Amino acid sequence: GAVVSQHPSRVICKSGTSVKIECRSLDFQATTMFWYRQFPKQSLMLMATSNEGSKATYEQGVEKDKFLINHASLTLSTLTVTSAHPEDSSFYICSAGQGRRETQYFGPGTRLLVL
Amino acid sequence: SQQGEEDPQALSIQEGENATMNCSYKTSINNLQWYRQNSGRGLVHLILIRSNEREKHSGRLRVTLDTSKKSSSLLITASRAADTASYFCATAPTDSWGKLQFGAGTQVVVTP
Repeated sequence: GAVVSQHPSRVICKSGTSVKIECRSLDFQATTMFWYRQFPKQSLMLMATSNEGSKATYEQGVEKDKFLINHASLTLSTLTVTSAHPEDSSFYICSAGQGRRETQYFGPGTRLLVL
Repeated sequence: SQQGEEDPQALSIQEGENATMNCSYKTSINNLQWYRQNSGRGLVHLILIRSNEREKHSGRLRVTLDTSKKSSSLLITASRAADTASYFCATAPTDSWGKLQFGAGTQVVVTP
């Protein structure tokens, strides 16, 4: 299947700093990328949907100014957690889709710990 | 928002036994997908079943879908210790293409 990578896999930062997470589709062009958040022992919650070249669509309750999403190319989307706080500590997972195809390909996730 | 409810929340079985987990959802869907997640890792896509399908097989996996009851089941036959993981169902609603809504997950432990 298609491969999606995330970088970094793990990051620890101080409260108040910003953290950027990259999501790359390695062997296909991803017209749409999705960002999810997963707290320990919980399910994945969709945060936002990004289409290449346009603004991201955020789910209700997700602050767009806090979670900046950029999808500048068909193979790269970035999520920046601005002014991170301990409550932002979570597992962030991206997925990538092609056109109207049903299957999404998930990245390995990024574990963020804010001290 | 989280659409699916999964049952049971946790399942502990011995190698060789079958594992069955269920998923219920609320809205109309295009398809329903099952994923597996090892602790602290990403998701692995297992199987996709479309709304006009009732049953699907893939290796030791068997998935059923009952759209009248808005429910699905995943059966893992002849389980192995390596099947230990969390299993999630995810629905693709008809009114929002691509936006998967995940269930709460079933944590499966298979002991040798």
